[in-house]
Amino acid sequence: ETGVTQTPRHLVMGMTNKKSLKCEQHLGHNAMYWYKQSAKKPLELMFVYNFKEQTENNSVPSRFSPECPNSSHLFLHLHTLQPEDSALYLCASSLGQPNTEAFFGQGTRLTVV
Amino acid sequence: GESVGLHLPTLSVQEGDNSIINCAYSNSASDYFIWYKQESGKGPQFIIDIRSNMDKRQGQRVTVLLNKTVKHLSLQIAATQPGDSAVYFCAENENSGYALNFGKGTSLLVTP
Repeated sequence: ETGVTQTPRHLVMGMTNKKSLKCEQHLGHNAMYWYKQSAKKPLELMFVYNFKEQTENNSVPSRFSPECPNSSHLFLHLHTLQPEDSALYLCASSLGQPNTEAFFGQGTRLTVV
Repeated sequence: GESVGLHLPTLSVQEGDNSIINCAYSNSASDYFIWYKQESGKGPQFIIDIRSNMDKRQGQRVTVLLNKTVKHLSLQIAATQPGDSAVYFCAENENSGYALNFGKGTSLLVTP
């Protein structure tokens, strides 16, 4: 089983739908992250959680709502998205300390129609 | 704001040659740097990292060089193989935080 698992791998949703992305890590890490990866743009950090507490929200629109019930699970709830929100959403985890690498999941390819 | 950027969006090399991928950063407070490889349909995968108290670090077939004077980072891949074809990202953070900030990515294509 991989260290960071994301489901679903692919998701197509309408602009009025509500859906959730799930991430689970089996590495014993304390920090979890959501990144957005659009074509020809750097990975954009969206949210950071450390010990279940949100420590960073990079001006993400409220139509994206994260949830971290425990250090192993992270969700991203989606509601009333726009076509420009179509992207690869990557979850990552790390020890939650400076100077340590993050481990990424395979991502969820989201298409908003 | 501060940014991490890559000099070239694409790089094509012949199998067996050495590859060099460059990265510039602007945040003088950055003290940890990391290279990731992302293959099609997969998430980024850790390659090698380096702390600001070092200027060179070697791994298996890869070397990272850090020049803090000009805020430049490079990844050298020796004897490039077809399996090295991917997008390579540099990332950094400051000691005050642990979330990584990523550059735009360079696509490496290895031709036979």
